[in-house]
Order: sequence, then C-alpha cells, then structure tokens
Amino acid sequence: QLQLQESGPGLVKPSETLSLTCTVSGGSISSSSYYWGWIRQPPGKGLEWIGSISYSGSTYYNPSLKSRVTISVDTSKNQFSLRLSSVTAADTAVYYCARLIVVVQVDPWGQGTLVTVSS
Amino acid sequence: QSALTQPPSASGSPGQSVTISCTGTSRDVGGHNYVSWYQQHPGKAPKLMIYDVSKRPSGVPDRFSGSKSGNTASLTVSGLQAEDEADYYCSSYAGARGVVFGGGTKLTVL
Repeated sequence: QLQLQESGPGLVKPSETLSLTCTVSGGSISSSSYYWGWIRQPPGKGLEWIGSISYSGSTYYNPSLKSRVTISVDTSKNQFSLRLSSVTAADTAVYYCARLIVVVQVDPWGQGTLVTVSS
Repeated sequence: QSALTQPPSASGSPGQSVTISCTGTSRDVGGHNYVSWYQQHPGKAPKLMIYDVSKRPSGVPDRFSGSKSGNTASLTVSGLQAEDEADYYCSSYAGARGVVFGGGTKLTVL
C-alpha cells in the first residue's frame, strides 16, 4: 500500500524559505504513470494546488505561486521536495504531499504537516 | 476566492439524498472530464471519492455518485449516513492554470 509522509520544519520566519520533503513508501516514485504534488490548506480554509513533478523532473506550478516555488525529485531516495521562498504569514497552512494520477486524481495523500510562518 | 464555486453548506437527514454542486467555466469543469471530488473529515487528509466526473475508486461506497452538465459538476450522496458528515471539495483540471479546487462544502447529517 502506497504511503506518503511529509517532513520538515513546522516554523519558518517571514521572508525565509519553506522546505519540505515527502517520502514515498510501499511503491516506487519512478513510474511514468504518475505525477507527485504538493497541495496546501490554510487553517479553516480550502485547498490550493501548489505544483506537481514527474519522476523525470517535469514540473507544473500554480501560476500564482510560480515565482516562489521549486519542486524537485530524488528517485534514489524515493522522495520529492518543495521549496517556497520569501514566505509571509499568508503561507501558513497544512501542506500535503500526494500522488496525482491523470492530472486531478489525487490519491493517496500524506497526513499533512502544519507550517507556521512567524517571527 | 476559489476558482470553482461550491455552496458553503448542505444538509440532509439519515437515509436522504443530498447533491453538492461545483460551478466553473468552459476553461475548467466544462472543458473536459477531469473532475474529482474529495471528502475531508476534521483534522484528516482529504480522501478521493470520485474521479473523471463519475468514477469511484475501489472501496468508495456506491452511495456516492458524480455527474456533470455544462460547466457544473455535482456530487450526490444517497442514503446519508452519520459518517458522511464532512467537508467536500471538487477539483478540476484547468489547462495552463493547472489544478483548481472549489471552496468546499460542509455536509451536515441532521
């Protein structure tokens, strides 16, 4: 059974860079059938797609975040990562990593990790 | 403001049916059949309930069904049960905008 687990700091200072890693277990990240993505949810609010990456490194980003986002993949570690630069309080959210099957079929999801932006 | 419009709330009594709408444009919902629905219980990760407008993943009860007409997709929950009480989000492929979500609908089982 495929499982995903987010890891990284739970507190980031304003203007700094948020960095998270997603570890995939129970299956290989090196499949041409899937994309791997990040989705976030501010407290009490809805979901927002951040971006996705293929095992070969092809990336797609939310246009509203594109200038600050970098998603990378490390197939040797079965991991993919998110970097979001110049963060503000508006970036405070639960960040989920997930597998994307054919664009918007997101399954499964990681459990999510809360990242707070505060000094 | 979310790209797709959902009603903030919906409700029904046990055993009844409830339908949640998700309205977009011809550039997303109306432009193809890549529409998904997710169920989210408090403090939990979302769970895929419907994909490709009307397909159910293995393990999802057939009480959940999806449909689409024009720029509006719908999720129907039949035979409401207490455990169906949750937030529901729709999602659609939106071309150059990537993946867009609705604002979510809180379903209450009365």
